Amino acid sequence: DAGVIQSPRHEVTEMGQEVTLRCKPISGHNSLFWYRQTMMRGLELLIYFNNNVPIDDSGMPEDRFSAKMPNASFSTLKIQPSEPRDSAVYFCASSLGMTSGGAETQYFGPGTRLLVL
Amino acid sequence: AQTVTQSQPEMSVQEAETVTLSCTYDTSESDYYLFWYKQPPSRQMILVIRQEAYKQQNATENRFSVNFQKAAKSFSLKISDSQLGDAAMYFCAYREAGTASKLTFGTGTRLQVTL
Repeated sequence: DAGVIQSPRHEVTEMGQEVTLRCKPISGHNSLFWYRQTMMRGLELLIYFNNNVPIDDSGMPEDRFSAKMPNASFSTLKIQPSEPRDSAVYFCASSLGMTSGGAETQYFGPGTRLLVL
Repeated sequence: AQTVTQSQPEMSVQEAETVTLSCTYDTSESDYYLFWYKQPPSRQMILVIRQEAYKQQNATENRFSVNFQKAAKSFSLKISDSQLGDAAMYFCAYREAGTASKLTFGTGTRLQVTL
């Protein structure tokens, strides 16, 4: 299995621009998570989906952030407009969800390093 | 709310020696999962080991083992025969069982491995 795939791996943009981060979960996984990692706040959950439905988006910082999961194999995290404080590493993770036998483990993608100038 | 505490910002170990990283957590749940993730300079989050709270036996994965003390809410990671490739940030994480739920992470411990 290729694991969780994220693109782009690095993104540099200017303040005010729209940024779209993409994620392909592991095939067969039905839960998908978006995390953000910063020096100040550590690793924090932004939103997660179960069977393509958003379950908890309480971690989304503000209306500038939105996430979608149109099908089981693709999700996007969009920031519009971007700000310098959005600079961080954004991780996507997936898991099997509610089944048993090790299914509670989340597998992470390589992350997208975002820099907003 | 669940919290995870890693009280050691940095640790150092000599190659081939053993080191233990500490983690404590707070929860009112009885069923949950605990994890240790490794994050090398590449920033990739790599699962090291996991523990189910309902299991009394401590998990082991090759050179990595945990000391799970449920009553004390403690979950330490022991790395035996440390190797240079073990140098990384190590994050302890908690997740409730039963539902697809988020991971709550500690602040991490940076492990240095010296010759």
